[in-house]
Amino acid sequence: DIQMTQSPSSLSASVGDRVTITCRAGQSISRFLNWYQQKPGKAPKLLIYAASSLQSGVPSRFSGSGSGTGFTLTISSLQPEDFATYYCQQSYTSPYTFGQGTQLEIK
Amino acid sequence: QMQLVESGGGVVQPGRSLRLSCVASGFTFSDYSIHWVRQAPGKGLEWVAVISYDGSSTFHADSVKGRFTISRDNSKNTLWLQLNNLRPEDSAMYHCTRAAWQQPFDPWGQGTLVTVSS
Repeated sequence: DIQMTQSPSSLSASVGDRVTITCRAGQSISRFLNWYQQKPGKAPKLLIYAASSLQSGVPSRFSGSGSGTGFTLTISSLQPEDFATYYCQQSYTSPYTFGQGTQLEIK
Repeated sequence: QMQLVESGGGVVQPGRSLRLSCVASGFTFSDYSIHWVRQAPGKGLEWVAVISYDGSSTFHADSVKGRFTISRDNSKNTLWLQLNNLRPEDSAMYHCTRAAWQQPFDPWGQGTLVTVSS
């Protein structure tokens, strides 16, 4: 199985801040990397797919980049509704493994 | 609107069984592989199982292999997960989700909660 490692595990930030979350794959996964947002008590929501493609309806302050083994999710200007947990996931090969999550909290 | 709705969760004793269901609507169910993903309380996401669009292929995580079985009936737009010999560590919210080959999981169902406790 491909191991996915996110950093940091938790992050405190303020509204308006620029935030970057990193995801590293245990082997090259080309650009088969997806990002999800999850709020308490809710199902995960797809934000970014294929490393940098924005899912329909997702605000443009979210962006993704990377290829191979290193990827980033950036939120350009944090909004109150962005405080949540973020997961990366590889869809290069089954099983489609997830990172351990990054909890984004209000400072 | 694409939708997946799970049901069948509950409180069960260790060693007992449970059958989860997932009903799809708003898309052509028989065109897609469907996955189960679980999340233990306060923990991250764990992939559990996948079934191919026609049900001919299934794969299960090592942690559930031999105890859980995924199946589907395309005529009913329904997916199942049979959970046997349940353990306390199987306690989690179970979500079904759609994904074509090498594509992201979207949409997700709201989940059904399984609690294994004596």
